[in-house]
Amino acid sequence: KAGVTQTPRYLIKTRGQQVTLSCSPISGHRSVSWYQQTPGQGLQFLFEYFSETQRNKGNFPGRFSGRQFSNSRSEMNVSTLELGDSALYLCASSLAGGGALDEQFFGPGTRLTVL
Amino acid sequence: DAKTTQPNSMESNEEEPVHLPCNHSTISGTDYIHWYRQLPSQGPEYVIHGLTSNVNNRMASLAIAEDRKSSTLILHRATLRDAAVYYCILRSPSGGYQKVTFGTGTKLQVIP
Repeated sequence: KAGVTQTPRYLIKTRGQQVTLSCSPISGHRSVSWYQQTPGQGLQFLFEYFSETQRNKGNFPGRFSGRQFSNSRSEMNVSTLELGDSALYLCASSLAGGGALDEQFFGPGTRLTVL
Repeated sequence: DAKTTQPNSMESNEEEPVHLPCNHSTISGTDYIHWYRQLPSQGPEYVIHGLTSNVNNRMASLAIAEDRKSSTLILHRATLRDAAVYYCILRSPSGGYQKVTFGTGTKLQVIP
């Protein structure tokens, strides 16, 4: 069974631009969560989608948004990029979306650099 | 939201047991305790999770204090492949939504 895939793996953008990251969950998984990882702040939860609905959102500004498609694939978008948005963005999928009970499977991440 | 506290780093000799502690004194009754680990240049990997009782799986054991304010991840025999950052995470289902609180992570160094 294929794991979680994220595209692109590396991305360089400049301040003010916007970016879209993609995540394909494991086949059959309906929940997709996004995380931001930086050396200073560590791992921070962005949001979770289940069956095309956002179920929870972390403490990030509205510039960060996401969506999930009917095939469970998910995208996250960051608008008006800032230098501080440089980070590793991780996507994780789980079977049923009850993350307290489910094991999450993480992708390798997308490394975003904002210049 | 409940917070977790972990030591920044720990060392262990290869083939020795390792006990990785996590404090979560403000844990709520519905919070599950999850442990993940992250090897260099990889996404986190699930290790184990539990609610109240101690749990065992092929990777590790999870010992949960009776008052649930702390837990300990136990690697029975550390190998070089266990060198990673270990995260203690609280996950709470709440009305169909989840709260996710990450610990700072413990960097485990395994000495051959």
